[in-house]
Order: sequence, then structure tokens, then C-alpha cells
Amino acid sequence: KAGVTQTPRYLIKTRGQQVTLSCSPISGHRSVSWYQQTPGQGLQFLFEYFSETQRNKGNFPGRFSGRQFSNSRSEMNVSTLELGDSALYLCASSAQKGNTEAFFGQGTRLTVV
Amino acid sequence: QQQVKQSPQSLIVQKGGISIINCAYENTAFDYFPWYQQFPGKGPALLIAIRPDVSEKKEGRFTISFNKSAKQFSLHIMDSQPGDSATYFCAASMEGAQKLVFGQGTRLTINP
Repeated sequence: KAGVTQTPRYLIKTRGQQVTLSCSPISGHRSVSWYQQTPGQGLQFLFEYFSETQRNKGNFPGRFSGRQFSNSRSEMNVSTLELGDSALYLCASSAQKGNTEAFFGQGTRLTVV
Repeated sequence: QQQVKQSPQSLIVQKGGISIINCAYENTAFDYFPWYQQFPGKGPALLIAIRPDVSEKKEGRFTISFNKSAKQFSLHIMDSQPGDSATYFCAASMEGAQKLVFGQGTRLTINP
């Protein structure tokens, strides 16, 4: 069974631009969560989707948004990029909603210059 | 109250020794406690998880000990190997929520 796939793996963007990251969950999994990982703040929850509905949102500005499609694939978008948005963005996939096993992808390394 | 505090920040253990990483939480609504292992350039990988109805769970060389009254849980790695050198994260989540609250991580180095 293929794992969680995130694309692209690396991205360099300029301040003020916007970016879209993609996540394909494990086949059959319907829950997708996103996390931001930085050396200073560690791993922080961004949002969670299940069956195309956002169920939870972390404490991030409105520039961070996401969505989930009917095939469970998910995208997150960051608009008006700031230098501080440079981070590893991780997607996690779970079979069900609720606190069950979550499996992470390898992440997308975003660098804002 | 949403925090999970993890210690130590870094740990060096000799090959064959026992590695112990500790976490503490405040929110009694947390009821799922996983541990993740992360290698450089990779995403976190689920190692082992526990719920509060048991005090210990063992999978191979990895054991979680859980103390509900003290609101603490720990990861023990027995017979530590150089391949275990990685960063370890504890986490917690509440019933019905997939949101994981992570500890700050422990960089573990196993000396050969």
C-alpha cells in the first residue's frame, strides 16, 4: 500500500507570492491533517479535513487555507507569503475521523526568500 | 493547557543501553498518546501509541509507560542501537479530534 504522498518535495517562493501544496492520503483513508514544522516552534497543527469538511483549525492566520476533494486528496494554500512561513509542511492521513493512528508524508520544504 | 512538555531536549546513550524520554501534559481531556520517530529529511513515523486505560504497552524494543494520575508518559527504548539515532516526538490528542499536540522533540544519539 502506498504511503502518504506530498508534492512538491521542495519549493522556493518570493515574499508576497502564494503557494499551493498537495497531499494524497493512503488509499482508503478519509482524514487528512496538515502540520507546520519549524526549528523554533516545532510541530504545529494547521487544520484537519474529513469527507471534504474542515473539522478543526489551528491557530494560524487566515492566509493559511486548505481544502479536501471527494477522492480525499487535500491541498493547502498560503497566500501573501512571509519569510516566517519557511518551514516543512507535513500532511498526515488517518483512516477515520477522531484520534486514531496518523501517518505522515515526507513533507514539502518551503523556503520563502 | 494544550501543551505537552517533553524532556530531555537531547540524549546520548551507549549502544545496548536504555533510552528514556519523558512527556507531561495538563489537559485531562487528552486520551490518545502516540510517539513518533523522525529521521533528517523524512516525515515523522508512528512508533507506538497508548490510551489511558492501560499503564504500559510494549512493541518490540519500544515500551510506553503511562501514569494517568501524574499526567506523564514515557518512551523506553531497550537495547538501543545506532540506527535508533533520530528525533523523537511525543504527542497527545483529545477524543474525537485528529489534532495532535506535539512535544518539542528529543534528539537521541546512540554511540556505537
